[in-house]
Amino acid sequence: GQNIDQPTEMTATEGAIVQINCTYQTSGFNGLFWYQQHAGEAPTFLSYNVLDGLEEKGRFSSFLSRSKGYSYLLLKELQMKDSASYLCAVNDDYKLSFGAGTTVTVRA
Amino acid sequence: KAGVTQTPRYLIKTRGQQVTLSCSPISGHRSVSWYQQTPGQGLQFLFEYFSETQRNKGNFPGRFSGRQFSNSRSEMNVSTLELGDSALYLCASSLGPPGLETQYFGPGTRLLVL
Repeated sequence: GQNIDQPTEMTATEGAIVQINCTYQTSGFNGLFWYQQHAGEAPTFLSYNVLDGLEEKGRFSSFLSRSKGYSYLLLKELQMKDSASYLCAVNDDYKLSFGAGTTVTVRA
Repeated sequence: KAGVTQTPRYLIKTRGQQVTLSCSPISGHRSVSWYQQTPGQGLQFLFEYFSETQRNKGNFPGRFSGRQFSNSRSEMNVSTLELGDSALYLCASSLGPPGLETQYFGPGTRLLVL
């Protein structure tokens, strides 16, 4: 089975930094994905971690600790367009198991 | 390169009916996965097909079925619809196994069961 937890909602100010945590307990692990989903749209790929450590991609960074079953997505220099739901997904025996998603609201 | 397309985009059905949803993957992608998304449950994995074979299946009743054609297009069918089947159904394609290759999602089919 799988258990993937992330906060339901987060609010931050434009220009600030927000960190979205994700903890997981899965029977298998072959990598962790972060997706962004704007309201009414399809999820879009943000990042992928399979080894421990930090992956940086522009304003977005993702971190993984396999021993702790923990990941976070860091959003820097927040912009209004970053208001969206952020989904953590674990590759569990070659199928993706998703968390419920974290809704991030960016305020001016 | 065109993205993943899904038809229809919106659908209204009544309890007891059956429905078929279609997904055309990105050209060259052979893996197609289906997900159900609801506000309460989030994204739930339904099944994955690769080269016309179902490789993986989630925890959904047998009313949910799918298939994949030789051109990698996929369909999913839900029989004897229930009110709880109202959801956004998302299809995602990838070059290889989900998790090893990035999945790209289609816009989804929003199903309302009355």
